[in-house]
Amino acid sequence: SYELTQPPSVSVSPGQTARITCSGDAVPKKYSYWYQQKPGQAPVLLMYKDSERPSGIPERFSGSSSGTTVTLTISGVQAEDEADYHCQLVDSDSTYLPVVFGGGTKLTVL
Amino acid sequence: EVQLVESGGGFIQPGGSLRLSCAASGFTFTTYAMTWVRQAPGKGLEWVSTISGSGTTYYATSVEGRFTISRDNSKNMLFLQMRTLRVEDTALYFCAKGHCSGGNCYWFFDLWGRGTLVTVSS
Repeated sequence: SYELTQPPSVSVSPGQTARITCSGDAVPKKYSYWYQQKPGQAPVLLMYKDSERPSGIPERFSGSSSGTTVTLTISGVQAEDEADYHCQLVDSDSTYLPVVFGGGTKLTVL
Repeated sequence: EVQLVESGGGFIQPGGSLRLSCAASGFTFTTYAMTWVRQAPGKGLEWVSTISGSGTTYYATSVEGRFTISRDNSKNMLFLQMRTLRVEDTALYFCAKGHCSGGNCYWFFDLWGRGTLVTVSS
């Protein structure tokens, strides 16, 4: 199995750029996925295959991967972006742990 | 409306059993793998179990042998039978739909429910 490490919290002011990282040894070999989770709500898929945005997700959300770190970038942060963000990797060759999540990052909009 | 609605959570003593349900609507249920993901209080997400559209099952080592995932495709329902519950199973349990496109299906989730809370405590 492998682990994914996210910072517990990130804070930005409205209009600034937020970068949320997710690191792990398996990152270079696997696609990453990102979910947004607001209190009391269902998680929402934000990004898949590192940098693909599902329909309906604003363009200010983008994803990238470099080395052992994947990054979710939110440009021009808005108050409504305050939420928890979770990264995920897939190891489809593993039948006992095909899905691994990071610990989640709480984004605070100051 | 495309949605997933979980139910069946509650307060249970260690060693007890509980059955969670997830009602799916708005999509062709049989096509998609379905998954349970849980979130302990103040913690991140944890994959629990997945069942393919045809019924192949996968379990996290932390629940294998104690939890059983199943589905009723005729009723668009997903289930999680939980036995020998432990304090560490306390969590919000989410039902999630796997993503398929171009005839291929993938281990990520494009639709989630709001979750049902399971509390295991004496």
